[in-house]
Order: sequence, then structure tokens, then C-alpha cells
Amino acid sequence: DGGITQSPKYLFRKEGQNVTLSCEQNLNHDAMYWYRQDPGQGLRLIYYSQIVNDFQKGDIAEGYSVSREKKESFPLTVTSAQKNPTAFYLCASRPGPQGGEQFFGPGTRLTVL
Amino acid sequence: AQSVAQPEDQVNVAEGNPLTVKCTYSVSGNPYLFWYVQYPNRGLQFLLKYITGDNLVKGSYGFEAEFNKSQTSFHLKKPSALVSDSALYFCAVRDMYNREGSQGNLIFGKGTKLSVKP
Repeated sequence: DGGITQSPKYLFRKEGQNVTLSCEQNLNHDAMYWYRQDPGQGLRLIYYSQIVNDFQKGDIAEGYSVSREKKESFPLTVTSAQKNPTAFYLCASRPGPQGGEQFFGPGTRLTVL
Repeated sequence: AQSVAQPEDQVNVAEGNPLTVKCTYSVSGNPYLFWYVQYPNRGLQFLLKYITGDNLVKGSYGFEAEFNKSQTSFHLKKPSALVSDSALYFCAVRDMYNREGSQGNLIFGKGTKLSVKP
């Protein structure tokens, strides 16, 4: 988990509210990712960003939004349009070369009340 | 379509016995393969990767994996399991389609829960 921080660790939200999950990295990595993890479904890609000021939708982007204004930061907003937001959210980063592994943060568990 | 399969939801092993966690893949071209471990309520930790070279790859915590091109497999192994190895293990392959800047994206299997009993 070193070098990538996610906050908060636990987050509770009422239905209809938007919430923003923080992801910061001090590894000087170019690429950053957001995944959603549900029991028995592995990791599903929400959004990714290869460079600052650019990002692309992943496999399950509906109901989510991101920004990449700084190299070290990639916040994820879970909007009220996301119908089933309760999940464990993981942020990851990767250095420039395409073949490298991704490094993960400790995760944020979001619960909708 | 590119995919990764982990055919076992759970693997049970006695402490001190060898362990194997299975992974098969389907991609075009030469695959880049990865193994990660996840402890409860934690992020994923990188264990090892295969990009090229020797088919037997050694990684962290005594784990190793064998790349088999003919069987399209990349099974994770350890000669002697520890109770502390109990965790969720993920196999991943690099996305080779390179659509919309997807270079470096990973496709993950659904994970295998390893349980090591004393």
C-alpha cells in the first residue's frame, strides 16, 4: 500500500447524495485507476487516466465521475445516479512503461444507508 | 475476448503442504501476467509477474508461478504453505487491445480464497 493513500477508509452515504473518494500518490506515476470490488466479482474498472488532464471510461463508468488536474491526485465522485454504490473502492497507479504492474491503495469501503 | 479465469473459488491446504492456485488466460499475442494477494479490508499487494524469459517466476513471500504457453496457464505455487498465507489471490493479464489509451490496463480474475489450516 505504500505511496498511495485513500481517504476516508470508511464512508457512509444517504441515498441521493454525491460523495467523493480521495486518492493521492507520491510515486510520480503517470497512470492512475479506480476499481470497484464486490464479493465474488473480482475487480471491475471504473475509470483510468494515463496522463494529467486526460481520463477514459472503464467497464462500469455509469454513475461515476473523475478528474485528473494534478499528477498525484485522482478523485472519484460517486453520484446519485449510481444505483448500487455500496462496495469496496480501490485506487491504483502505474509508472510510465506499459508492461509494469499496478500499485494499489488501501481502499475505501462505501456504504449507502 | 480477453479474459482471465480462476477456476477455484476456494482452495484449502494444510500448513506445511504445497499449494497451487490456478489461473488460465485468453489473450492475443504474448501475455503479460500478474499475481496479487489481498488480505481482508486491504488493498492488493503485488506478488510477481511474467513478461518474458524463464517460465518459472519467483516472487515475494516464497511464492512462484509457472507460465505454460501451450496450456495458457499461469498457476501460483508455494512449496510449503503458512497459515499467514490465507488470503484472496488474484491473477491478472495486461489488456492487449490498446483501445482508447488502455495500454497498461489489467484484466483481473474473480479471485481465489486460500485457506491454510494449522
